[in-house]
This record gives sequence, C-alpha cells and structure tokens, in this order.
Amino acid sequence: QKEVEQDPGPLSVPEGAIVSLNCTYSNSAFQYFMWYRQYSRKGPELLMYTYSSGNKEDGRFTAQVDKSSKYISLFIRDSQPSDSATYLCAMNSGGYQKVTFGTGTKLQVIP
Amino acid sequence: DAGITQSPRHKVTETGTPVTLRCHQTENHRYMYWYRQDPGHGLRLIHYSYGVKDTDKGEVSDGYSVSRSKTEDFLLTLESATSSQTSVYFCAISEFFPGPDTQYFGPGTRLTVL
Repeated sequence: QKEVEQDPGPLSVPEGAIVSLNCTYSNSAFQYFMWYRQYSRKGPELLMYTYSSGNKEDGRFTAQVDKSSKYISLFIRDSQPSDSATYLCAMNSGGYQKVTFGTGTKLQVIP
Repeated sequence: DAGITQSPRHKVTETGTPVTLRCHQTENHRYMYWYRQDPGHGLRLIHYSYGVKDTDKGEVSDGYSVSRSKTEDFLLTLESATSSQTSVYFCAISEFFPGPDTQYFGPGTRLTVL
C-alpha cells in the first residue's frame, strides 16, 4: 500500500463548477500538507501548504486537512479552463524529512 | 520556475552510455533534489543535497550518482543508462523559511534511453 493515495482521474467538470480533489494517507506522522499544480510538460508549482489540521484559503482555492481521517482535500471554486492541469498532493512530517507525493489527479475544466 | 534551470531539456541516448543532467539555481537555497516522474508512480526522490559536497540517497538511487561542488549547481549522472531510466527528471530546491521543506521545481528534462 502506498503511503499516499490519490485518484488519477481524469476529472472533467464544466467551467464554473466547484472541484474537489482528495488524497488519503497512512503515515500518522505527516504534519505538513502541500498541493502542487502541474501543467502539461512543466514542473510542479506549489499552490498551497498547510500545517496540521484545519482549512486554509487562498483566492478560489481552499485546502482542508482532516488528520483524524488521514484525508486532505483541495477545493477550487468557480473553476476556469486555466485550472486544467494535474494536481499533486504532497506531505511530510517536517524538519529534514523527505516529501511524499501522490501520483496526481488530472483535471479538465471544459468551457 | 523560481530561478531554477535544467539542462538539457530533452535528450535521447543509447543504452549503456553515461548521461549527466544539470540543475542550476539562482535562489541560494541550501537543499537541492533530483526526482523522476513516471506514470503511476508520481514523483520519486533519487538523491538530494543539503549543502556543498553533502548528498544523500533517495528511494530510487540505484544507477544514479550526484555531485554538488557549488551551491548553485547539482548534477545527476546516469552511470550507464538503461531503458528503465527513460523518464522526466525534475530538479527541486527548498529552504526552511517560511515553512518546512516546501519545494520549488525546475522545468524538467525529458530523457529517452533507446
């Protein structure tokens, strides 16, 4: 079993929809949770990171962490065609520990 | 891409040949990483560096070596390339402020081993 599980999709939604992207994990030591966006043939770019449980909002993006369920989510409101990309979750236990990545969910927002 | 460049961006080589990929940063970040990205596996850490001449292995280090002689440069060498090393290779950098190990990635090198 992988430490981090992420549905690969693809997920297709109409423009303006609310998108929910999710990851589950098994390592209870994870404390830092990150979301990356990766456009086709580009490097991943950091969207958001959160520490421990709770929500964090940045514009149309909201990251949510539920440590009791070992479940993290990224919500995208009013989705745009420019949001079409692969979204990677990532997490680590902090300090000098390596980051573990999910395999990514491919999102397509249809105009 | 946060002041990170990778060279070459594309390379085709033959099995058994050595290959060196270069990562260059202008951010003066302490940590540098090499990942490979393959379908179904996501990003997997090959090697990382925590300072000049200080490196350590990641989860998929067999067949790869690295060197860091300057803060800004991190080289990845495939000692004798195999077809299983066909992949997209990403360099990343990180610093500890403002948070833990948040990494910034380069544009990637697409390597094909025939």
